Amino acid sequence: NAGVTQTPKFQVLKTGQSMTLQCAQDMNHNSMYWYRQDPGMGLRLIYYSASEGTTDKGEVPNGYNVSRLNKREFSLRLESAAPSQTSVYFCASRRQASGAWVDEQFFGPGTRLTVL
Amino acid sequence: AQRVTQPEKLLSVFKGAPVELKCNYSYSGSPELFWYVQYSRQRLQLLLRHISRESIKGFTADLNKGETSFHLKKPFAQEEDSAMYYCALGDSNYQLIWGAGTKLIIKP
Repeated sequence: NAGVTQTPKFQVLKTGQSMTLQCAQDMNHNSMYWYRQDPGMGLRLIYYSASEGTTDKGEVPNGYNVSRLNKREFSLRLESAAPSQTSVYFCASRRQASGAWVDEQFFGPGTRLTVL
Repeated sequence: AQRVTQPEKLLSVFKGAPVELKCNYSYSGSPELFWYVQYSRQRLQLLLRHISRESIKGFTADLNKGETSFHLKKPFAQEEDSAMYYCALGDSNYQLIWGAGTKLIIKP
């Protein structure tokens, strides 16, 4: 099992350009997440999908859109990139959609995005 | 407000010395707390969670509801413990609220 995969690993964009970050998991997990990681700020949730067919905003959704294409795939789109979106982006998944407790999240390797 | 605070951005200790990474939380409900670790060039991964009450790689963490803390401890640090450590709080929506992280450096 590859676990959680992300593409691309690195990307440089110019201000105003668009791009889509791809994420896929092969663990049959229900929930998927997109985070950004900035120095000194930990991980901040951008969007999540508790189950196939649903998406919800997280802490910092502005400037992003997501698509839960199927149970395996969850993409993040930047329609008009801005320098403030320079960050490392992580996709994660977890097995449960809900439950009695919060189960482990599994992370992808990350995408390092620079917006000039 | 729900919040996780890791007061130390950087912690540097000598090999063989005890390590304590601090984590404090603010949460009105019954907390579920986690420590995640990111080694150099590796993925972020779960280290331990409080409900498991287990020791992983020699690390333990005890939930102290009175002090609203979940500090990570290891009696004797090893060089391979050098990594970025994140404390996280599970909320009622099954999301994780993350601390800013502590970079642990173990000096030889």
